[in-house]
Amino acid sequence: QQQVKQSPQSLIVQKGGISIINCAYENTAFDYFPWYQQFPGKGPALLIAIRPDVSEKKEGRFTISFNKSAKQFSLHIMDSQPGDSATYFCAASMNTGFQKLVFGTGTRLLVSP
Amino acid sequence: NAGVTQTPKFRVLKTGQSMTLLCAQDMNHEYMYWYRQDPGMGLRLIHYSVGEGTTAKGEVPDGYNVSRLKKQNFLLGLESAAPSQTSVYFCASRGTSGGPYEQYFGPGTRLTVT
Repeated sequence: QQQVKQSPQSLIVQKGGISIINCAYENTAFDYFPWYQQFPGKGPALLIAIRPDVSEKKEGRFTISFNKSAKQFSLHIMDSQPGDSATYFCAASMNTGFQKLVFGTGTRLLVSP
Repeated sequence: NAGVTQTPKFRVLKTGQSMTLLCAQDMNHEYMYWYRQDPGMGLRLIHYSVGEGTTAKGEVPDGYNVSRLKKQNFLLGLESAAPSQTSVYFCASRGTSGGPYEQYFGPGTRLTVT
């Protein structure tokens, strides 16, 4: 079973702090690693994605760090804001046949004012 | 441009009842997906479709059936609902361009089976 393990399950960060969410995978055939953001009552929305040949990708306050040798990747939210409070899912996809996404179990982030 | 829409938003079923969830997308996307989301388990793929008239099983297909008679619609059916099917169901779609991760999700259907 292809798996992506995500931690922590929940996270509380003060406004202005750095939120860090970690994911690990086992299957080296995965070739895309996206992060999705989900607000209560809404569907997930693509936030940022990275390929394994890149060690870091930044978009605004959101950064993905990728460690290919350790088979780990993480999402960093700099200067966290209350509006960032949401559930974050990491995922992985594989470029063999039909490309499906395998999701992590999610991290509920609360940014306190 | 409504994106991905799902009908209904909420539903309560009794064990053994049947129902159909409707997903519609107006982006002319080839690929469509049905996921279920359960606490602590993330999103799990139920069934998917790579084009009109084609469907395939995902990770957790048992107890569900799907149909894609029109490109813009993807239906998820529960023939005999069970309490284990209590979940939030999300539909998603993706075009042929862009990355495999660029799925667009609907707002979800919250289903309770008593």
